[in-house]
Amino acid sequence: GENVEQHPSTLSVQEGDSAVIKCTYSDSASNYFPWYKQELGKGPQLIIDIRSNVGEKKDQRIAVTLNKTAKHFSLHITETQPEDSAVYFCAASIDNYGQNFVFGPGTRLSVLP
Amino acid sequence: DAGVIQSPRHEVTEMGQEVTLRCKPISGHDYLFWYRQTMMRGLELLIYFNNNVPIDDSGMPEDRFSAKMPNASFSTLKIQPSEPRDSAVYFCASSSGLAGYEQYFGPGTRLTVT
Repeated sequence: GENVEQHPSTLSVQEGDSAVIKCTYSDSASNYFPWYKQELGKGPQLIIDIRSNVGEKKDQRIAVTLNKTAKHFSLHITETQPEDSAVYFCAASIDNYGQNFVFGPGTRLSVLP
Repeated sequence: DAGVIQSPRHEVTEMGQEVTLRCKPISGHDYLFWYRQTMMRGLELLIYFNNNVPIDDSGMPEDRFSAKMPNASFSTLKIQPSEPRDSAVYFCASSSGLAGYEQYFGPGTRLTVT
């Protein structure tokens, strides 16, 4: 079955710096890759996603890149702010409906003021 | 919209007792998901429904776990009998197949089995 790895497990950056989180997946049939942000005591919330027919997507300070050949995708956060501190999860969908996700283990991001 | 609603938010029970977790998805959403989150295993999909029908329950750990969706606005996840290793945060999420793949998560139920 699908296996999603995520690195690093923890990441600390200074406010204003950039943060990069990387994920790899094993199933070449996966075609949808969302990123979720989870704040303490809350459920995960989608922040950006990318489909297999797109190589890069950007939304303000957040961008995601996808390399299908290498089976990896990355989250880039620029100009980080303290409110970006949270746990970030990548995921890959393993069915044709894009609904069955396998999540990575998560990255705890701390933005230091 | 109120978002996905889960109850209770916290549940403490003794080993061997029956536990029922409840979820109300976002109105109009036709997919509903139950996840379990633990430090050791991360976020795991237990089961998901489409139009109230279970599509994939391969993540349900064992027969002690069961899930139902009697109508489009309500679902339950039941554990009977509960064990200490079932302690986790259980999330319900919903999505609309027509609107794309985004899953909206509820606030979760923190279950502690002593």
